Amino acid sequence: GESVGLHLPTLSVQEGDNSIINCAYSNSASDYFIWYKQESGKGPQFIIDIRSNMDKRQGQRVTVLLNKTVKHLSLQIAATQPGDSAVYFCAENRNTGNQFYFGTGTSLTVIP
Amino acid sequence: DTGVSQNPRHKITKRGQNVTFRCDPISEHNRLYWYRQTLGQGPEFLTYFQNEAQLEKSRLLSDRFSAERPKGSFSTLEIQRTEQGDSAMYLCASSLGLAGGQEETQYFGPGTRLLVL
Repeated sequence: GESVGLHLPTLSVQEGDNSIINCAYSNSASDYFIWYKQESGKGPQFIIDIRSNMDKRQGQRVTVLLNKTVKHLSLQIAATQPGDSAVYFCAENRNTGNQFYFGTGTSLTVIP
Repeated sequence: DTGVSQNPRHKITKRGQNVTFRCDPISEHNRLYWYRQTLGQGPEFLTYFQNEAQLEKSRLLSDRFSAERPKGSFSTLEIQRTEQGDSAMYLCASSLGLAGGQEETQYFGPGTRLLVL
């Protein structure tokens, strides 16, 4: 399953399928990006990050892709599990300070 | 547990009362951040400390809000004369930043959920 972030804030996938969550960022000067996972009632949990000198980074079951030309970031989750159900946020550091700017988030629901 | 901790986890108060929240960052982290998150939205930056110095403040941080980090370790966020619009999750994050270096990963605490009646 695939979402386009702000336009499709909810994504439902079958357990075992791959998930793709998309994020469009706004500032071409942004140089550091983080994907966070947030479960209900909890703080955001770091998943994976990428700097602007890279276009792909892989973690355990997760891959982040960065396309600076179109200012687009995606999070791919392989073999999605029920425990992956959460809201996923992309956060960008705009290189103008230390704060991160968060997108609206995408709610991922994994159907067993 | 060596992560970021926040207390209390929940706070219910009446409009007009003052509230104070505490954040204990990861021990070796010199940078500490406060964010606010309302339902269905991503966290919004409020303020940032490097050691004990408050270096950035958002326009969201009205004069009723004050944050301190007196010894460069834990931080407090106080809201005076609370309003119903202050109801939100208040998140603290910390990172290890090197002078003149790149921004590093921010790790979040569990948040303090505030409800103003």
